[in-house]
Amino acid sequence: DAGITQSPRYKITETGRQVTLMCHQTWSHSYMFWYRQDLGHGLRLIYYSAAADITDKGEVPDGYVVSRSKTENFPLTLESATRSQTSVYFCASSEWSTLSGELFFGEGSRLTVL
Amino acid sequence: AQKITQTQPGMFVQEKEAVTLDCTYDTSDPSYGLFWYKQPSSGEMIFLIYQGSYDQQNATEGRYSLNFQKARKSANLVISASQLGDSAMYFCAMRGDSGGSNYKLTFGKGTLLTVNP
Repeated sequence: DAGITQSPRYKITETGRQVTLMCHQTWSHSYMFWYRQDLGHGLRLIYYSAAADITDKGEVPDGYVVSRSKTENFPLTLESATRSQTSVYFCASSEWSTLSGELFFGEGSRLTVL
Repeated sequence: AQKITQTQPGMFVQEKEAVTLDCTYDTSDPSYGLFWYKQPSSGEMIFLIYQGSYDQQNATEGRYSLNFQKARKSANLVISASQLGDSAMYFCAMRGDSGGSNYKLTFGKGTLLTVNP
């Protein structure tokens, strides 16, 4: 099916382990984003990308790494997971950089770090 | 930089009544766009409505309308004739016209709306 998919949807890991959250979109959208959602904080931008091999830090990038070797994929890696990274992670994409271009979101990945 | 403030952590409304969810913003960008998203308990993010800063009229989409007051920097969402299915978290967001990074959205903390039967 066309759209934006995230995997895994649920993940439990331990402190210090590396975790990669996958994001794949079939629209060939240029722009992709990773947000985390925490109670009381809304959605906060972690990293974003305008095209393959172009990435930028968002509001809360520390502890995260991204790559974008292909337009359709935008994986997010937690190199050494910490309990503060327990959150729901949303990947999103957008076709245009115009002001009105809405973001299309994946279903979210719920990560628990023990 | 943009900032979105949603001052109502939770709101209650009776079914069939109208409700206004508040959103104020701060930006130095000359042009910008404002968005509202809905997040039901199932977790997905649903785009509701968009308002451009230079749009002459307030945006409407079905039962949703955006009460845009540029001088007050507010972009309140009005839901008319509330339905039980409107119970959800609502997020206000904006995108500014600030150079090369104008494609990212900044979100508020959200308002949890509960519609009572």
